[in-house]
Amino acid sequence: NAGVTQTPKFQVLKTGQSMTLQCAQDMNHEYMSWYRQDPGMGLRLIHYSVGAGITDQGEVPNGYNVSRSTTEDFPLRLLSAAPSQTSVYFCASSYLLLAGGDTGELFFGEGSRLTVL
Amino acid sequence: GQNIDQPTEMTATEGAIVQINCTYQTSGFNGLFWYQQHAGEAPTFLSYNVLDGLEEKGRFSSFLSRSKGYSYLLLKELQMKDSASYLCAVIWDTGFQKLVFGTGTRLLVSP
Repeated sequence: NAGVTQTPKFQVLKTGQSMTLQCAQDMNHEYMSWYRQDPGMGLRLIHYSVGAGITDQGEVPNGYNVSRSTTEDFPLRLLSAAPSQTSVYFCASSYLLLAGGDTGELFFGEGSRLTVL
Repeated sequence: GQNIDQPTEMTATEGAIVQINCTYQTSGFNGLFWYQQHAGEAPTFLSYNVLDGLEEKGRFSSFLSRSKGYSYLLLKELQMKDSASYLCAVIWDTGFQKLVFGTGTRLLVSP
C-alpha cells in the first residue's frame, strides 16, 4: 500500500516558470489537501478537496490552482512561479474530517521541496 | 482569527516528562489533533481530541479543555528519538474540512 505519493521530491524553477506538483493516494480517501511549510510559519493550507470535482481555497491560495478529476489524484499547479513560493509542499489525504466525529487522521506525502530563483 | 498558540521550543532530558501546551480560539471549535514531525520528514498523527479529558496512548497522552481553549501533549519516559516538532492542529465550524496548524513546538531531548 503506497499511501500518499508526491512527485517530484525536489524542483528548482526560475521566476515565471510553471509546473505541477503531483499527488496521488491509493486509500480511497475523499479528502485531499495541499499545505506549504515555511520556517516559523508552520503548515499553511493552500487548497483542499472533499471529493472528485469539488475544490476550495485554504489560507494561502493565491498563485496556485488545483483540480480533482479523480478520487486518487490532486495536482497542484503553479502558473507563474515566484520566489515567495519557495517552500516545502505537502499533500495530505484522509477520510472526511468529520467535525466532532471520526478522527479523519491526515496521511501526508513525503513532501516536495521547491526552490524558485 | 483562528489563532493557535504553542511554545516555539522546549528542551528536556532523556527519561523525563514534558508537557507541550496549545491554546486556541474556542468559538466554533470542533476537534484538535497532535502531529509529530521529525526534521526533513512528513508529519505523522499522534492523537485526536474532541471531548474534554485525557486520552492516553502509550508514552503519549493528550488532554483537552474545550471551555478553556486549551490542550496539552504529555510525553513520558522521553527518548532521544522524541526530538522532533510537535504540531497542534484544530478544526473549526467555519472551516469545516479545513485543518489549521499551529507553528509547532520544537522539542530537543538531551542525554
